[in-house]
Amino acid sequence: DAGITQSPRHKVTETGTPVTLRCHQTENHRYMYWYRQDPGHGLRLIHYSYGVKDTDKGEVSDGYSVSRSKTEDFLLTLESATSSQTSVYFCAITIGGGYEQYFGPGTRLTVT
Amino acid sequence: DQQVKQNSPSLSVQEGRISILNCDYTNSMFDYFLWYKKYPAEGPTFLISISSIKDKNEDGRFTVFLNKSAKHLSLHIVPSQPGDSAVYFCAASARGAGGTSYGKLTFGQGTILTVHP
Repeated sequence: DAGITQSPRHKVTETGTPVTLRCHQTENHRYMYWYRQDPGHGLRLIHYSYGVKDTDKGEVSDGYSVSRSKTEDFLLTLESATSSQTSVYFCAITIGGGYEQYFGPGTRLTVT
Repeated sequence: DQQVKQNSPSLSVQEGRISILNCDYTNSMFDYFLWYKKYPAEGPTFLISISSIKDKNEDGRFTVFLNKSAKHLSLHIVPSQPGDSAVYFCAASARGAGGTSYGKLTFGQGTILTVHP
């Protein structure tokens, strides 16, 4: 258990509304990641962070922004949600300098 | 451009038999490979990994084989158990020129494994 929580676990929202998903970790890990999982695509990296206020884009970053103002929290924001952003969102961390990532339980987001 | 591919969407095996899950990659910069297992409504969990300097890594019932010349890796589960039924993802990482890739992983599409009692 890597001590990762995600909130909310489920959310239904309407097209055009802003949405923020939260990832919280309790062990001061430096690297944090946001992925989305969709059928036929596996997991795709949205954004990642390598420290407080240090973030960068991943493979599918359009329509998403992130913030990391403190080590334990990594926020993913959909500025104006679209139906194509209906997905399951996972947060992950790495421990130390390792390659292995450890995932949170996920947030299922539905945009109607 | 799908850099990591799992061409079999699903696999069905009998309990006690071997399960073989396959994964192909195209990026020759990948130097570390991982397998994850995912149950419904849960996050993926790390299963086993292999560095590009090795061609085999074993952990209990799970063995990963890497064929660098073919850019192919496979996960063998022996013997398969009903509790192994899940989606399996392979993933790959590249260190990059500066010695770090920030740990970014590229995932395949996943293979649904069903083990029948």
